Amino acid sequence: GQNIDQPTEMTATEGAIVQINCTYQTSGFNGLFWYQQHAGEAPTFLSYNVLDGLEEKGRFSSFLSRSKGYSYLLLKELQMKDSASYLCAVIDSNYQLIWGAGTKLIIKP
Amino acid sequence: IAGITQAPTSQILAAGRRMTLRCTQDMRHNAMYWYRQDLGLGLRLIHYSNTAGTTGKGEVPDGYSVSRANTDDFPLTLASAVPSQTSVYFCASSDTGNEQFFGPGTRLTVL
Repeated sequence: GQNIDQPTEMTATEGAIVQINCTYQTSGFNGLFWYQQHAGEAPTFLSYNVLDGLEEKGRFSSFLSRSKGYSYLLLKELQMKDSASYLCAVIDSNYQLIWGAGTKLIIKP
Repeated sequence: IAGITQAPTSQILAAGRRMTLRCTQDMRHNAMYWYRQDLGLGLRLIHYSNTAGTTGKGEVPDGYSVSRANTDDFPLTLASAVPSQTSVYFCASSDTGNEQFFGPGTRLTVL
């Protein structure tokens, strides 16, 4: 079967750095997305990785290792508005998007 | 219209009733999707359409049907609603293989 694993919940302090991990086992791989979803709102796109390595975009970075079936999202200089759920999703060999259940990130002052 | 819209925003429905959730996008994306999102389970794909005139079943299609008569619209129909279909429904669109853009969601309660 296909599976994506993320921690259910994480807590971090405002101004700090947090890393949210995602491991996947899918039938094929054609890319990995990270989305942010605030409570009661729709998911919004954060990043896309298809090759190994780090993609940096402002305070957010995403890393991929295809050989390990592993990705992480790194959030720096945390702000209260970063409190949200972070969803990892993988495009499989049929170009279908397989979603993880999401990681709820709680930021404390 | 800017992006992707859904209607209604929320609905309370009696079990056994028929309901259509509407979704419209103006980005000329080929692909469209319907998901349901339940607490602790993440997004689950109900149906999808890779291009106008074609549809496919996702992970949880039972009790739902879709049509794709044109590029812009992708309605989702519950023929006879049941309480287990209480959920938040998101419509999304994309150019195939690229990032998906989501509508604001429909919160459906079936009593």
